Amino acid sequence: DQQVKQNSPSLSVQEGRISILNCDYTNSMFDYFLWYKKYPAEGPTFLISISSIKDKNEDGRFTVFLNKSAKHLSLHIVPSQPGDSAVYFCAASTNTGNQFYFGTGTSLTVIP
Amino acid sequence: DVKVTQSSRYLVKRTGEKVFLECVQDMDHENMFWYRQDPGLGLRLIYFSYDVKMKEKGDIPEGYSVSREKKERFSLILESASTNQTSMYLCASTHWTSGHKRTQYFGPGTRLLVL
Repeated sequence: DQQVKQNSPSLSVQEGRISILNCDYTNSMFDYFLWYKKYPAEGPTFLISISSIKDKNEDGRFTVFLNKSAKHLSLHIVPSQPGDSAVYFCAASTNTGNQFYFGTGTSLTVIP
Repeated sequence: DVKVTQSSRYLVKRTGEKVFLECVQDMDHENMFWYRQDPGLGLRLIYFSYDVKMKEKGDIPEGYSVSREKKERFSLILESASTNQTSMYLCASTHWTSGHKRTQYFGPGTRLLVL
C-alpha cells in the first residue's frame, strides 16, 4: 500500500514560471519529509526537507509547504530553470523508524 | 562530502546467474538501504540494515538477499537472476538520529539487465 503518493507523473512549465509539485501521504505518524531530485542514470540527490513542526521551509528558489491536516506537501520552484528538468521524489519518515517511504515521482520539464 | 559508491554502473547478466551488487559509504553511517527504481513505481525498498550483520526486509525482498559484514559495505545478492529483476538498483545510507536531520545519501545506481 503506497503511503506516499505523487499523483502527477509529469509536469511541464515555461522557464521563469513557477513549478508546483504535489505529494500526499496517508500515515499520520510521518514527521519528516524530504524532496529529492533525480537525473537519468544518476542517483537521487537531496533537495530540501521539512519537519512536521514547521509548515514552510525555504532554500533559495525552492520552498516546501506542509499541510498536516490535509496530509499534503508541495514543492515550489521559482523561477523554474531548464536545469530543473528532472524527476522529483517526495519521501517521508517517522521519528523512530529507520525507513523512508518514497512517492512514485513527478517528471518535471522546464521549457526554455 | 558524503560519498556512496556502487560497484557497477551497468551490468548485463543471464537468467539464473547469481548477481552481486556492492555498495560502499565513507561517512560511518549506521543505516544502509537497497532500493529498486522502476518507471511508474518509484523507489521501492528491498532491504535495509541498521548495523553490521543486521538486516530488515523492505517491501519487496523476494528473490534478494543482503550481506553487511562491515559497517561501510552493504551487498545485494540476486540468488538466481530473473528477467523481472531488470531494473535500476540504488543504494543509500544515512546516519541514525532521533532528531529531524536525517537525510539519505544515494549512490549513482546500477542499471541491471537480465537476459
